[in-house]
Amino acid sequence: NAGVMQNPRHLVRRRGQEARLRCSPMKGHSHVYWYRQLPEEGLKFMVYLQKENIIDESGMPKERFSAEFPKEGPSILRIQQVVRGDSAAYFCASSPSTGPIDGYTFGSGTRLTVV
Amino acid sequence: GQQVMQIPQYQHVQEGEDFTTYCNSSTTLSNIQWYKQRPGGHPVFLIQLVKSGEVKKQKRLTFQFGEAKKNSSLHITATQTTDVGTYFCAGRLQLNNAGNMLTFGGGTRLMVKP
Repeated sequence: NAGVMQNPRHLVRRRGQEARLRCSPMKGHSHVYWYRQLPEEGLKFMVYLQKENIIDESGMPKERFSAEFPKEGPSILRIQQVVRGDSAAYFCASSPSTGPIDGYTFGSGTRLTVV
Repeated sequence: GQQVMQIPQYQHVQEGEDFTTYCNSSTTLSNIQWYKQRPGGHPVFLIQLVKSGEVKKQKRLTFQFGEAKKNSSLHITATQTTDVGTYFCAGRLQLNNAGNMLTFGGGTRLMVKP
């Protein structure tokens, strides 16, 4: 039973390009959470999605960032026109839709470097 | 807004010494979770505390949840080099519609000198 899968593990983009980060939740999980971790800092909540719905995007910058979780396929975090300040590790976690929620299972993350 | 603060930010210890990290929230939490992240790795869930005043142990690790459910601590007895990493606390707001999101503290980075 695969855990939370993220790809790519490492992504290098030039300033102004687009970055697409993918997250496949654990089997049977329909909730996905994206967090950003700047170097030497903690995890900052970005967005919480259910299938085909954005539940909370209060942590996501209003411009250039978007997220989706389609009915089929992985959740996508999209960053348009990347800038150096977007360089960070982006982690996603998933949880089931019902029942008690225990700890998050995080994916291995995508380390984005903007050059 | 809701904030979860952790101190200290960094801690250097000699192998065999004890280590404690403290977590404080500005509002009451429904529960508190602790995670460990090794250098270059991803956060790994350690434990969850739910009840006021709860204490849980995992071998050399002792976790406490405060009576007011606003603070927590993680204590490691006799640190080993394998304890190196950053320890995060994370809390879930005690609100009706808080969803499942966690708010993470800034983490305490533990370095152990052999």
